[in-house]
Amino acid sequence: DTGVSQDPRHKITKRGQNVTFRCDPISEHNRLYWYRQTLGQGPEFLTYFQNEAQLEKSRLLSDRFSAERPKGSFSTLEIQRTEQGDSAMYLCASSGGTANTGELFFGEGSRLTVL
Amino acid sequence: GQNIDQPTEMTATEGAIVQINCTYQTSGFNGLFWYQQHAGEAPTFLSYNVLDGLEEKGRFSSFLSRSKGYSYLLLKELQMKDSASYLCAVRGGYNTDKLIFGTGTRLQVFP
Repeated sequence: DTGVSQDPRHKITKRGQNVTFRCDPISEHNRLYWYRQTLGQGPEFLTYFQNEAQLEKSRLLSDRFSAERPKGSFSTLEIQRTEQGDSAMYLCASSGGTANTGELFFGEGSRLTVL
Repeated sequence: GQNIDQPTEMTATEGAIVQINCTYQTSGFNGLFWYQQHAGEAPTFLSYNVLDGLEEKGRFSSFLSRSKGYSYLLLKELQMKDSASYLCAVRGGYNTDKLIFGTGTRLQVFP
């Protein structure tokens, strides 16, 4: 068990470009979550999957954001036509397995800076 | 709607006890979590309450009152390494697994 891993850890991009983040959850976890966190705030829910099914998506999430988990393992989060307001830490978390207390295990995050 | 309130900042002295409060108003309730987050790092799980009462885990304890929509995290024998943000999060219902987080309480421990 190597924990939740995210890639890249840092991304700097120009406004209008597309970016994609990858998350590899803990292997036996069937649930995967994406959150966004800005400085001084708690994580803000974006979306989550159970296996490959996207069960819930925040109403705050614009159409420029899309997430996939095609085989129920890793997930990608794509942001199209980035805006400066998208600058944040994007956190991935997973839960599940045989000892499921419902706690989320977080990755180290992908920090996005939009210039 | 969903609303989770906790103080923005707190300070305490090494060796002391500190209590971080959290109040919540959510459309449903299926558990309350506390996470610790050091600057620049991922949140890490501290405690979970789903029934009323106190859960103790070493130097950390967490209390829940569902009727009052209230929880607290108690940290004893504070150490410098306890300086971090403490996040209160609620799982809002039986048909969702997502957690809704508060803004976090930044705790600074001084020598």
